[in-house]
Amino acid sequence: GENVEQHPSTLSVQEGDSAVIKCTYSDSASNYFPWYKQELGKGPQLIIDIRSNVGEKKDQRIAVTLNKTAKHFSLHITETQPEDSAVYFCAASIGGYGNNRLAFGKGNQVVVIP
Amino acid sequence: GAVVSQHPSWVICKSGTSVKIECRSLDFQATTMFWYRQFPKQSLMLMATSNEGSKATYEQGVEKDKFLINHASLTLSTLTVTSAHPEDSSFYICSARDLGQGAGEQYFGPGTRLTVT
Repeated sequence: GENVEQHPSTLSVQEGDSAVIKCTYSDSASNYFPWYKQELGKGPQLIIDIRSNVGEKKDQRIAVTLNKTAKHFSLHITETQPEDSAVYFCAASIGGYGNNRLAFGKGNQVVVIP
Repeated sequence: GAVVSQHPSWVICKSGTSVKIECRSLDFQATTMFWYRQFPKQSLMLMATSNEGSKATYEQGVEKDKFLINHASLTLSTLTVTSAHPEDSSFYICSARDLGQGAGEQYFGPGTRLTVT
């Protein structure tokens, strides 16, 4: 089955700096890679996603890159702000096209220091 | 758009009783909903896939007779934890897939905190 690894487990950055979180996956059939932000006591919020036919996607301060050959994808947050502090989860679709299930990484605690 | 609600947001029950959690997609239709559980400081573990009008598909190791899932309409799925025990205490989160989107997008509810005493 799909195995998603996420690094680092915790990340502290100074406000205004960039944060990068990396994930690797094992199933070459995976074709959809979302990133979720979870604040304490709340459900995960979809912040950006990328499909296997695209190498990079950007939405304001957030970007995601995908390297299918190496089976890894990364989340980039620029100009970090205190409200970016949260746990971030990467995920990869399980199985091929049309399969809706997701496998999640273990999460990354991002702390933005004012 | 793509709002998912859960009810209740938290519940405390006694060991041996059953608890029902509702998951609703408020502004879209969802043929597929998913149920996850999350222990403190851990990742989301998929429990089952709920399909409207058919039986749910459970992940390996999840007891279908203990976690009953009903997906009666395109906007509502329910999870019933039967004969709950303290080890069932967890954060239960549902997600729903928007029919109007391409393959994969899942939107999560706010979660339900279950405590079994």
